[in-house]
Amino acid sequence: EAQVTQNPRYLITVTGKKLTVTCSQNMNHEYMSWYRQDPGLGLRQIYYSMNVEVTDKGDVPEGYKVSRKEKRNFPLILESPSPNQTSLYFCASSLGGTGTYEQYFGPGTRLTVT
Amino acid sequence: SQKIEQNSEALNIQEGKTATLTCNYTNYSPAYLQWYRQDPGRGPVFLLLIRENEKEKRKERLKVTFDTTLKQSLFHITASQPADSATYLCALVGGGSYIPTFGRGTSLIVHP
Repeated sequence: EAQVTQNPRYLITVTGKKLTVTCSQNMNHEYMSWYRQDPGLGLRQIYYSMNVEVTDKGDVPEGYKVSRKEKRNFPLILESPSPNQTSLYFCASSLGGTGTYEQYFGPGTRLTVT
Repeated sequence: SQKIEQNSEALNIQEGKTATLTCNYTNYSPAYLQWYRQDPGRGPVFLLLIRENEKEKRKERLKVTFDTTLKQSLFHITASQPADSATYLCALVGGGSYIPTFGRGTSLIVHP
């Protein structure tokens, strides 16, 4: 089944404790991206990648890191999480090229930082 | 700065009526405009795309229009059903990036 998977789905952690949220897609998509979603603010882009070893900042990259060493994986790293990073996070992928740029979203990771 | 506006107030309609949602944008020249549906706690799901040179696109009960002069897209659901209740997001693709930028979404509630 074509899908984007994220792990963990739920995470409660404490301020300053490094964490990684994994994202993997099995559709051989070129583009991958991370969004956070907060009430009243909608989906905001954190980082995106248009190819292996190519990443770019989105609208709200502060406090996050990403890497794209393989085409299928795009982990999101919080080196020192803070309470303002409490949010619902989505990973997405798309085919790229001259298609529809349809984004396929993962199920989301709900992160709470205390 | 680039801005995408969707009505933040929920749209309440009766079953069977046509729902119309609006997406306006400023300081943007999108090549594509997409519409997604999002259910609570779940990731958005792609519905339709319309290109800058297209005026209208249809898919089953859905219809999207795109007016690049007004910088506006309208999203219509005809013969609406309670199962159509969800948040609908518009997203713009263009400006050299192929990753969409999303609006905040409008909640649609269809009453039986």
